[in-house]
Amino acid sequence: AQSVTQLGSHVSVSEGALVLLRCNYSSSVPPYLFWYVQYPNQGLQLLLKYTSAATLVKGINGFEAEFKKSETSFHLTKPSAHMSDAAEYFCAVSDRGGSQGNLIFGKGTKLSVKP
Amino acid sequence: DTAVSQTPKYLVTQMGNDKSIKCEQNLGHDTMYWYKQDSKKFLKIMFSYNNKELIINETVPNRFSPKSPDKAHLNLHINSLELGDSAVYFCASSPPQGYGYTFGSGTRLTVV
Repeated sequence: AQSVTQLGSHVSVSEGALVLLRCNYSSSVPPYLFWYVQYPNQGLQLLLKYTSAATLVKGINGFEAEFKKSETSFHLTKPSAHMSDAAEYFCAVSDRGGSQGNLIFGKGTKLSVKP
Repeated sequence: DTAVSQTPKYLVTQMGNDKSIKCEQNLGHDTMYWYKQDSKKFLKIMFSYNNKELIINETVPNRFSPKSPDKAHLNLHINSLELGDSAVYFCASSPPQGYGYTFGSGTRLTVV
C-alpha cells in the first residue's frame, strides 16, 4: 500500500525567504510523485511531477523538488517566497499499475507568506 | 477549452434529496476519477473509471453511484443526501499508468 506524509500542516515564511515543504512517501513499487497547489476556493493545479527521469524536478512558479530514494522523500522548495505563493500544497503518490493507478494524497500543508 | 469541467460549481440542497454532479474531459484520457475533499482539506479517492469500466470503488456508501456514459464523461449521482456529504467533490482524469492527473475546479456541496 502506498502513503504520503506531509510534515507540518502549516508553514509560515516571510516574503523572500526560502520555502521548504516536506513530503515522505511509502511505496512498494517505484512511485510517481506529484506536488499540487490549491489556491483558496479553487481546484488543484499541478506544480511538478517525478516519473523516474531526473531526480531534481523543476515545476511552475519557481518551485522544484528532489526525489531521494534513500530518504523516501520528495520535498518541495522555492528559493524566495512571494505573497502569491500562499496556498495549500499537496504531495501525492501514484503507483505505476497501468490504468488502475490512482493518486494518494498527503493531508496538505498550508503555506502562509508574511510581508 | 477547459480540460476537465464540472457542473455545478456550487450545490446547496436539503437532507434526503437526490443530486447529480457532472464531469466532462476533453483531453482524450482513458481514466477518470472522483475525489472528495473534506472540511480539513483531506482528499480521498472515491471512484476510478477506465474506458467506462469501474476500476476502483473505495469504501463509499452505496448512495453514491458513478455513471460513465462514455469515456469523456463521469457523473456522480448521490441519493438521500446526508449532512456528512457536505464537501468539495473533484473530478479528475489521467492517461494510462496514472501519469499526470488533471483536476476539475470542484463542486462545493452543502447539505442543510
